[in-house]
Amino acid sequence: LAKTTQPISMDSYEGQEVNITCSHNNIATNDYITWYQQFPSQGPRFIIQGYKTKVTNEVASLFIPADRKSSTLSLPRVSLSDTAVYYCLVGVYQAGTALIFGKGTTLSVSS
Amino acid sequence: NAGVMQNPRHLVRRRGQEARLRCSPMKGHSHVYWYRQLPEEGLKFMVYLQKENIIDESGMPKERFSAEFPKEGPSILRIQQVVRGDSAAYFCASSPPAGAAYEQYFGPGTRLTVT
Repeated sequence: LAKTTQPISMDSYEGQEVNITCSHNNIATNDYITWYQQFPSQGPRFIIQGYKTKVTNEVASLFIPADRKSSTLSLPRVSLSDTAVYYCLVGVYQAGTALIFGKGTTLSVSS
Repeated sequence: NAGVMQNPRHLVRRRGQEARLRCSPMKGHSHVYWYRQLPEEGLKFMVYLQKENIIDESGMPKERFSAEFPKEGPSILRIQQVVRGDSAAYFCASSPPAGAAYEQYFGPGTRLTVT
């Protein structure tokens, strides 16, 4: 599985857009890029997944450049409730594949 | 549609006792995974099960830990003779059968404290 690197922590204020970048230089052809969110004292929650270009859902956008060696999770207009740890995962995640979590990025949103 | 359910949410055991953690997957999900999160660390995979089968237990400690997912009832993670180092949050996740890129649905976790 591709190794990922993301910032340990980020700070933001309510209403700002937050972009968290993840580096995955040795991503394989069949790998997908997946982001999970974990609130304190809760299990992780799937946010978004993509293979290339841009993916958008009601929660976030995921930008993936053509070389796929990095990806950026974009959270528009964050609120206090977006304070959480965000994990970037890269791999071929089919049924039966264990998820490999790194330390993630701790996002702190202040008012 | 109820999500993944885990119980108990909090469990306190003294050293040497047994801990049993239960997980009921989402309806229709046949794959169950257990992860452990030690304080200040990321989640680590422990075991992957399907009904009545352990498929991958590469992340399970070699001793004192066992898991099952019977034909009927929840999946159970069992820790025998607990030690202080077993104190952690244990998360269960489930996923639907086969498919390409997919997501795992996590439960709220069981926080085990060994005193």
